[in-house]
Amino acid sequence: EPEVTQTPSHQVTQMGQEVILRCVPISNHLYFYWYRQILGQKVEFLVSFYNNEISEKSEIFDDQFSVERPDGSNFTLKIRSTKLEDSAMYFCASERDRGYEQYFGPGTRLTVT
Amino acid sequence: LAKTTQPISMDSYEGQEVNITCSHNNIATNDYITWYQQFPSQGPRFIIQGYKTKVTNEVASLFIPADRKSSTLSLPRVSLSDTAVYYCLVGDPGVTGGGNKLTFGTGTQLKVEL
Repeated sequence: EPEVTQTPSHQVTQMGQEVILRCVPISNHLYFYWYRQILGQKVEFLVSFYNNEISEKSEIFDDQFSVERPDGSNFTLKIRSTKLEDSAMYFCASERDRGYEQYFGPGTRLTVT
Repeated sequence: LAKTTQPISMDSYEGQEVNITCSHNNIATNDYITWYQQFPSQGPRFIIQGYKTKVTNEVASLFIPADRKSSTLSLPRVSLSDTAVYYCLVGDPGVTGGGNKLTFGTGTQLKVEL
């Protein structure tokens, strides 16, 4: 069964550093998402991406965040200057058709020290 | 997305059927009801989706009464591995042109014991 993959599984970085989280969505999917979950809290939507552009973003997704799909397979989330409060699990998801059936990756645990 | 209410936690034993009910009094005509499951330190996983009456797949059943103001996720014969958080989401999949963000609540923590 096809699955969404994410790398790295765990990333430790210092405050102020840039990080890039990588995702490979399922190949025939058209809609791509990033979510995050701070330990013990809800899963929160960050951004959705369709047709090579951002279709929606949350208040969390400020100018420090960016997404890219550089080569038709990878989907990346960049945090330009990490803050302590960016420490969370980041999940990538993809979807073939609009319908709320999203496939989530295993997540990247980001720890900012 | 319509607001949903579900129990914070439920306990069960292996082999029992578990029913988790979700209230969504303000559900709109075009809204669908979708359930996700999340294990610790993993991404949510789609379980089932329905619009009305009953939907069944290899994992679960979803019962939706005629007024659609609530829905019940039914897990037959649970095992220890069904211990997870279960989320009920309600929304119209056709409302936006560029995908549909999922808005997760706190979900129901199901604990299955021997």
